Amino acid sequence: KQEVTQIPAALSVPEGENLVLNCSFTDSAIYNLQWFRQDPGKGLTSLLLIQSSQREQTSGRLNASLDKSSGRSTLYIAASQPGDSATYLCAVVQTGANNLFFGTGTRLTVIP
Amino acid sequence: AAGVIQSPRHLIKEKRETATLKCYPIPRHDTVYWYQQGPGQDPQFLISFYEKMQSDKGSIPDRFSAQQFSDYHSELNMSSLELGDSALYFCASSLGDRPLTSYEQYFGPGTRLTVT
Repeated sequence: KQEVTQIPAALSVPEGENLVLNCSFTDSAIYNLQWFRQDPGKGLTSLLLIQSSQREQTSGRLNASLDKSSGRSTLYIAASQPGDSATYLCAVVQTGANNLFFGTGTRLTVIP
Repeated sequence: AAGVIQSPRHLIKEKRETATLKCYPIPRHDTVYWYQQGPGQDPQFLISFYEKMQSDKGSIPDRFSAQQFSDYHSELNMSSLELGDSALYFCASSLGDRPLTSYEQYFGPGTRLTVT
């Protein structure tokens, strides 16, 4: 069964710092990987989608990379802002299925 | 741009009651997914529909059922509610079911169900 793990579980950084969130998955047979943001008690906002054939995707201050063979993805956030404070979830769609397997999340706090 | 709509946003029920959650996908999206997120947990897949047919099934209890209608909206019916059913229920939609390249899933704001 696919297992998705995110490290660290929580992270606090001062405003302006660059940071990296990590995601690992046990089964590399995936269609794609998505990074989401979730504010407390709120819905999921899709940040980036990386297809299995791609190595990275960029959107503004966000850059996500994918190393499918090693089962890893990273989300790089440049010049962090207090508004970036949220829980970040990665999720994969496994080959042969169409549902998302979610990671455990990283709770990010950016300190002004 | 239109997003996924879920109703109601909040619902309070007592044990053993029934609840119906509704999801309206993004226009032209033909696939709907339901996820359950318990307190402090990551979302877990329940069930999905493609072109009004059940596509995949996850950890959905037998007390729950769902369907997708001709206008592509979906309803999740939950019976004999238990305290452990208290969670945030998300609906997501995408264009396409299981293509050669998979499509992005867009999530609704969720329905917070509280069972007392």
